[in-house]
Amino acid sequence: DTGVSQDPRHKITKRGQNVTFRCDPISEHNRLYWYRQTLGQGPEFLTYFQNEAQLEKSRLLSDRFSAERPKGSFSTLEIQRTEQGDSAMYLCASSPPGGPGELFFGEGSRLTVL
Amino acid sequence: KNEVEQSPQNLTAQEGEFITINCSYSVGISALHWLQQHPGGGIVSLFMLSSGKKKHGRLIATINIQEKHSSLHITASHPRDSAVYICAVYRGGSNYKLTFGKGTLLTVNP
Repeated sequence: DTGVSQDPRHKITKRGQNVTFRCDPISEHNRLYWYRQTLGQGPEFLTYFQNEAQLEKSRLLSDRFSAERPKGSFSTLEIQRTEQGDSAMYLCASSPPGGPGELFFGEGSRLTVL
Repeated sequence: KNEVEQSPQNLTAQEGEFITINCSYSVGISALHWLQQHPGGGIVSLFMLSSGKKKHGRLIATINIQEKHSSLHITASHPRDSAVYICAVYRGGSNYKLTFGKGTLLTVNP
């Protein structure tokens, strides 16, 4: 399968623990996005990478959130000291160069913080 | 008021009915997406359009830039069309940052 893949699909953790999500975009896509979606809401933009450069980070992201895309391929989203309010679906998407472009989404990583 | 508003929030139809979902936005945009999300999370891009009309199978999307309005139509609806349909816009000047509507939950009964 050559689509966008995310891992893990589900994560249950206790408040205060750190979690990391991984996204592998479609290989020729240089643009990568992270979104967060809570129940009954549309996705909200978190951050955007073009190649390895993080070009924008939403004000929604506190200092506990960090995202990387070290080699311009896969990306990780880490949440430190998780809080119950972090419970959500974390979605990754990628798009080809140029733009605005068609988006390809992963299946998402669902986080539950107890 | 959200920058992207969808109506209706929920829609129930009988199989075979013609479906219309509306999206209005309040900002200048460079393009608009219609997305489909099935239970469990996965999102699929149905259309990206910046003017006029696009058709794919039983789905038709239209956009009126002057009126800041787009519609998604489903002809001959089927239970497998049941999903959340989300409108999202690239704000003018941005070719990467999407602003999403809350989605329309469509249920098509057999």
